Amino acid sequence: KAGVTQTPRYLIKTRGQQVTLSCSPISGHRSVSWYQQTPGQGLQFLFEYFSETQRNKGNFPGRFSGRQFSNSRSEMNVSTLELGDSALYLCASSLWGVGNQPQHFGDGTRLSIL
Amino acid sequence: QQQVKQSPQSLIVQKGGISIINCAYENTAFDYFPWYQQFPGKGPALLIAIRPDVSEKKEGRFTISFNKSAKQFSLHIMDSQPGDSATYFCAASRGAQKLVFGQGTRLTINP
Repeated sequence: KAGVTQTPRYLIKTRGQQVTLSCSPISGHRSVSWYQQTPGQGLQFLFEYFSETQRNKGNFPGRFSGRQFSNSRSEMNVSTLELGDSALYLCASSLWGVGNQPQHFGDGTRLSIL
Repeated sequence: QQQVKQSPQSLIVQKGGISIINCAYENTAFDYFPWYQQFPGKGPALLIAIRPDVSEKKEGRFTISFNKSAKQFSLHIMDSQPGDSATYFCAASRGAQKLVFGQGTRLTINP
């Protein structure tokens, strides 16, 4: 069974631009969550989508948004990029949700802001 | 109340030794406590998880010990091997709510 696939693996942008990251979950998984990982803040939850609806949300500004399609694939968008947005963005999928069940992570998209 | 505090930040253990990583939490409503392992360039992978109705869970060389009254849980890696060198994260969640992660422990196993 194929794992969680994130594209692209690396991305370089400049301040003020916007970016869209993509995540394909494990087949049959309906929940997709997004995390930001930085050396200083660790792993922080961005949001979760289940059946095309946002079900949980972390404490990030509105510049961070996402969506999920009917095939469970998900995209995350960051607008008006700031230097502090440089991070590894991880996507995780699970059968039913973000809470008390195994989350299967992709290898992430490394976003660098110049 | 949503925090999970993990220690130590880094740990060096000799091959064959026992690696111990500790986590503490405040929210007594948490009901799921997983540990994740992350290698450089890879996403975290679930190692082992425990629920508060048991005090210990063992899978191979990996054991979670859970102390509900102290609001602490720990990961023990027995017979540590160089291949165990990675960053380890504890986490906690309540019901279907988000996972809250500890800050991570960078483990190095010296051959």
